[in-house]
Amino acid sequence: DVQLVESGGGLIKPGGSLTLSCSASGFTFNKAWMSWVRQAPGKGLEWVGRSRSKIDGGTTDYAAPAKGRFTISRDDSKNMLFLQMHSLKTEDTAVYYCTRDHRRGSQDEPDALDVWGHGTMVIVS
Amino acid sequence: EIVLTQSPDTLSLSPGERATLSCRASKSVGTYLAWYQQKPGQAPRLLMYDAITRASDIPARFSGSGSGTDFTLTISSLEPEDLAVYYCQQRSNWPTFGGGTKVEIK
Repeated sequence: DVQLVESGGGLIKPGGSLTLSCSASGFTFNKAWMSWVRQAPGKGLEWVGRSRSKIDGGTTDYAAPAKGRFTISRDDSKNMLFLQMHSLKTEDTAVYYCTRDHRRGSQDEPDALDVWGHGTMVIVS
Repeated sequence: EIVLTQSPDTLSLSPGERATLSCRASKSVGTYLAWYQQKPGQAPRLLMYDAITRASDIPARFSGSGSGTDFTLTISSLEPEDLAVYYCQQRSNWPTFGGGTKVEIK
């Protein structure tokens, strides 16, 4: 089965750092583009950032609130995705979901997020 | 940034009724529009992509339409398990989501 499992969430003080992990299984991880999406309590969904596969350049993109504070990395040998978060703010409090980008073909940009983990809660307080 | 506006905020319908959810984009997104379902306490699940294509294992009662700036998700005959918040999402530059429509079952 295709599966994503996040871990690493918890309670952290403002200004602190935290690293989230995502373990992937059931698909060819090293070819996948992966994203992090967060959801503040009682609020909607917010895309955080993306990691392209190494064969597609291995680059990352970030939403404005994450730029300069968050870093997405991956370990293809272990089928793992990471989200390093620094200088955390109270407004970063959210459930963080690991997701897989859906692309029509290998030359296409992602158009949806087709696999989601169960999420891990980060509380900055 | 492309802003997606969903309406209505809440839809309250009886089982068997037709649900029509709207998503409007602040500028054209072509057909690059996805829909997600988030049931209470669960992660979102992809329902539709490319505006009209059902994702794997999505029942046929869900359908999507639209292009450009106006899109619709239709649930042809509401089931009790369709109680959820539904989000639309576009992909231009970076993904953004609409604010969601909550579907309540009477």
